[in-house]
Order: sequence, then C-alpha cells, then structure tokens
Amino acid sequence: NAGVTQTPKFQVLKTGQSMTLQCAQDMNHEYMSWYRQDPGMGLRLIHYSVGAGITDQGEVPNGYNVSRSTTEDFPLRLLSAAPSQTSVYFCASSYLGAGGYTFGSGTRLTVV
Amino acid sequence: QQPVQSPQAVILREGEDAVINCSSSKALYSVHWYRQKHGEAPIFLMILLKGGEQKGHDKISASFNEKKQQSSLYLTASQLSYSGTYFCGTDEAGGTSYGKLTFGQGTILTVHP
Repeated sequence: NAGVTQTPKFQVLKTGQSMTLQCAQDMNHEYMSWYRQDPGMGLRLIHYSVGAGITDQGEVPNGYNVSRSTTEDFPLRLLSAAPSQTSVYFCASSYLGAGGYTFGSGTRLTVV
Repeated sequence: QQPVQSPQAVILREGEDAVINCSSSKALYSVHWYRQKHGEAPIFLMILLKGGEQKGHDKISASFNEKKQQSSLYLTASQLSYSGTYFCGTDEAGGTSYGKLTFGQGTILTVHP
C-alpha cells in the first residue's frame, strides 16, 4: 500500500501561471480533501469530496478548482497563481464518517 | 468555525506530563487528534466520538466532553519522540457526518532530555 501519494513535492510558479497538484490514494477511501497549511494558522480546508463525481467547497476555496472522476484521484488546480497561494498543500483521505485521515507528504508551493 | 487549542506551546523534560485542550463553540460529532513533526505530514493519533468516551494509545490518551464541546489530550511520562505540533480536528454534529474536519491552530510540544 502506498497510502496517499502527492506530486510534486516542491514547485515554484510565477504569478499568473496555472498548475495541477496531484493526489492519489490506494485505500479505497470515499472521502478526500485538500488543506493548505500556513505558519500559525493550522490546516485550512480548500475543497473536499465524498465520492467520485461529488465535490464541495471548504473554508478557503477561492482560486482553486477540483474534480473527482475516480475514487483514487483528487487533483487540485490553481487557476492563476498568486503570491498569497504560497503554502504547503496536503491531501488527505479517509473512510466516510469513520477513522482518521491519512495525509500525503505534502507539496510545498512558492509563487513569485 | 475553527476550534481553539490551549496552550499554544508547552516545554517539558522527559518523563513529565502535559495536557492539551481543544474547545469548540459548535456541537460536535467527533474530535480527532494528530501529531505533526517539522517538515512532515500530520499523523493520526485517535478519534473520539460523541458519548464522552476516553481513549488511550500507549501513554497518550484523550477525553471528549460533548456537553462542553471540549476535548483534552493527555501525554504522560513524555518521551523525546513526543515532540511536535499537536492538532485537534473537529467534525460538527448534525445530519450525516462524513468526517469533514476543521483543525485548531496547533500546540507546539517540545520535550527536552
């Protein structure tokens, strides 16, 4: 079992560029989510999904899009990168309503 | 709404005990606890469901008072490996819960020899 795999681990973008952060899990978890982590602010929910074809917004969704075409994959798209999106991004998955989250190793994104 | 953790930071010597608190203004279905070491992903410690249960995990245990919407994490006889940032994550009650968590700001725990 690989668990939750995130790619890339590091990325530098220029303001205005777009990119997709990849997240894949092999545990057949229904629930997947994206968080961003900034110093002193904990983990803030961007988007989440309770199954293939179903997504919803979290606390800080602006500037990000998601889709869930399969149970395994939950990519996060940055539409037009801004310096305020410099952060560490974590993908997490779990069984619906039960059990703890398994987090990916994170993507450290810098927007210049 | 983000739960509030206290204290923000704790410094211990090996063998000492610590308590980290997590408080919410919303009715809760469950509380999760995670530990994160610097530069790594958060690791799941335990989940507490409404019902006021207490759980244990080696020398780490937690309680959940659903009437007060509070949870506490107890670390006894601390070890160097306990150092890290501890987060509580809360899942609000109401309807079907599917585990959407709101995390506190974290408590930095440092254990010295």
